Amino acid sequence: QVQLQESGPGLVKPSETLSLTCTVSGGSINSYYWNWVRQSPGKGLEWIGYIYYSGTTNYNPSLESRVTISLDASKNQFALQLTSVTAADTARYYCARHVEGVQYFYGLDVWGQGTTVTVSS
Amino acid sequence: IVLTQSPATLSLSPGGTATLSCRASLTVSGYLAWYQQKPGQPPRLLIYDTSNRATGIPARFSGSGSGKDFTLTISSLEPEDFAVYYCQHRSRWLTFGGGTKVEI
Repeated sequence: QVQLQESGPGLVKPSETLSLTCTVSGGSINSYYWNWVRQSPGKGLEWIGYIYYSGTTNYNPSLESRVTISLDASKNQFALQLTSVTAADTARYYCARHVEGVQYFYGLDVWGQGTTVTVSS
Repeated sequence: IVLTQSPATLSLSPGGTATLSCRASLTVSGYLAWYQQKPGQPPRLLIYDTSNRATGIPARFSGSGSGKDFTLTISSLEPEDFAVYYCQHRSRWLTFGGGTKVEI
């Protein structure tokens, strides 16, 4: 059974870079799409972006200028970097997996528990 | 694409039926999913491709719709069904709706 675990600093200073890692256990990173989703306190879900196991990335246009998602298949990990953070980036960050094909989208079926990141000096 | 969920809050009793709406700002494909989220937990996939239940999801959860209008129906509400529900669509990007809280 595939499990995802987010890790990284819980506190980041304004203007610095937020860096998180998601470790995939119990399965391979191959053949899936790997997403980052965040949720500000008391708010809804916001998709940040994904990386396909081949390395193809796709980002939320509203965050694209500040986001990089990378993948290390040898470690079964993928990572999020968000630059120039402000208080508005304070949120719980989740990693999640999805599967899709030409004529189907199976949804984000596996999620990590999430990690809270606070942006504050 | 903007997904608008309504109502924002739905107050129902156990045993009742919840009808949640998700309206897209444009006509979209059927690549629509629904998630349930409880406090302190990550979202849980309920429905994918508009109407297919995810693994382990009870039959009281059903999805329907096309075009701009999609619906999640929860029949015979159980106490554990009171939660927040999100719709999500896969177009060029992934987009979430704002959520509907189903409360007792």
